[in-house]
Amino acid sequence: GAVVSQHPSWVICKSGTSVKIECRSLDFQATTMFWYRQFPKQSLMLMATSNEGSKATYEQGVEKDKFLINHASLTLSTLTVTSAHPEDSSFYICSASSVLESPLHFGNGTRLTVT
Amino acid sequence: GENVEQHPSTLSVQEGDSAVIKCTYSDSASNYFPWYKQELGKGPQLIIDIRSNVGEKKDQRIAVTLNKTAKHFSLHITETQPEDSAVYFCAATTDNYGQNFVFGPGTRLSVLP
Repeated sequence: GAVVSQHPSWVICKSGTSVKIECRSLDFQATTMFWYRQFPKQSLMLMATSNEGSKATYEQGVEKDKFLINHASLTLSTLTVTSAHPEDSSFYICSASSVLESPLHFGNGTRLTVT
Repeated sequence: GENVEQHPSTLSVQEGDSAVIKCTYSDSASNYFPWYKQELGKGPQLIIDIRSNVGEKKDQRIAVTLNKTAKHFSLHITETQPEDSAVYFCAATTDNYGQNFVFGPGTRLSVLP
C-alpha cells in the first residue's frame, strides 16, 4: 500500500529558530500534499494544500510567512516553521494523494516542541 | 460547507464486545467517507472507506454502513481487542483524492481487557 514518510518524528527547538519537516511519498507520486496541525485531544486542522510545482494554498488564519511550504517534487513536500515560538508547539501531520493513489494517506506526524 | 459530527466522543467497551461510532454530514454532495484510526503519537491510518454508491462495506471485524438519505454513516467493530483502542476519525468529502476532506472531532475508543 501507499506509504507516506514524515521526518523527523519529534523535534525540540529554541524560540526564534526555524524547523523544517519533511514529508515523502515513498512508493507513489503525490500530486497533492496536505499539512495538518493537531492539538491534544482534537481533530486534524488543515493548514495548507500544496500541489507539485506551484504555491501552496493556505487555510484562513494560517500565516503563510510563518509556515513555509515547498512541494518541489512529486515525492517531497517540506514545511518550515520560521521563527518558532512556544505557541507553535504542536503535532504536525502531512498527507499525500494522487489521482492514481486514492485515497488519502498520512505520515506518522512530527511532534514539535518550542522552548 | 460540509460539517461532520461524530458520536460518541469517548467509548469504553469490554474486550470481545462490539463498538459502534456514528457520524453525520451536512453536504448531500459528499460521496466518499473514510474512517481513520489514530494511535497515540502516530498519524491517522485508513482502516475502511465507503463510497456513496454502496450501502455497506465489510473488512474482517470492521464494517461501515452508509445511509445517504439520512446523511449518516457508522463504523462497526466486532469482537473488539485491546489493540483496537485508539482515536477514530470519520471524514466526508466530495473528492476522494484528498481535497475538501472534513474530519469529525474523533472518538476515543478504549477496549477494556
